Amino acid sequence: DAKTTQPTSMDCAEGRAANLPCNHSTISGNEYVYWYRQIHSQGPQYIIHGLKNNETNEMASLIITEDRKSSTLILPHATLRDTAVYYCIVRPYAGGTSYGKLTFGQGTILTVHP
Amino acid sequence: AAGVIQSPRHLIKEKRETATLKCYPIPRHDTVYWYQQGPGQDPQFLISFYEKMQSDKGSIPDRFSAQQFSDYHSELNMSSLELGDSALYFCASRKTGNTEAFFGQGTRLTVV
Repeated sequence: DAKTTQPTSMDCAEGRAANLPCNHSTISGNEYVYWYRQIHSQGPQYIIHGLKNNETNEMASLIITEDRKSSTLILPHATLRDTAVYYCIVRPYAGGTSYGKLTFGQGTILTVHP
Repeated sequence: AAGVIQSPRHLIKEKRETATLKCYPIPRHDTVYWYQQGPGQDPQFLISFYEKMQSDKGSIPDRFSAQQFSDYHSELNMSSLELGDSALYFCASRKTGNTEAFFGQGTRLTVV
């Protein structure tokens, strides 16, 4: 699986947008970008995923660059409850021979402050 | 909506004892993954099962074994426990055709 690089930590003011970058310059054509977060020792929580088009759901938006070498997770209106470790993970489409395991690297500690 | 259920939530064992962790996947999910997360570390993949067969293996010690049963629940068996086995153990499940996996709330194992 392609390696990802994320900032170690970021801060964001409550109510503002949080933009979390991820570099995945070795991503291959059949690999998706997934974002999960982990709030203080709870189980990791799925946020969003995408292949090459920008994606949006009720939690966040995912912007993937045209060359797919980097992406940005956007939390449009961060709240204190969004304080967590955010993981960007690249993984082959689970419908293929891979059985979809997630390889967690060092994520970004996002701290949302009042 | 039903989530992944793990039991027990907390477990305290002594060195050299045995522990069994259980995972009940979301209904109709056919794949189960086990992860270990040590203090201050990121989750590390241990092992996975698809349709009751082992599908992938990560950094799982030989002292650990796991299986998936006919009802799709899974158990992680840990023997000869060491202090270094103290960690959070997460189970995740996924349904073939859907790409995202969902995690349980974990079992906190403390070895004393």
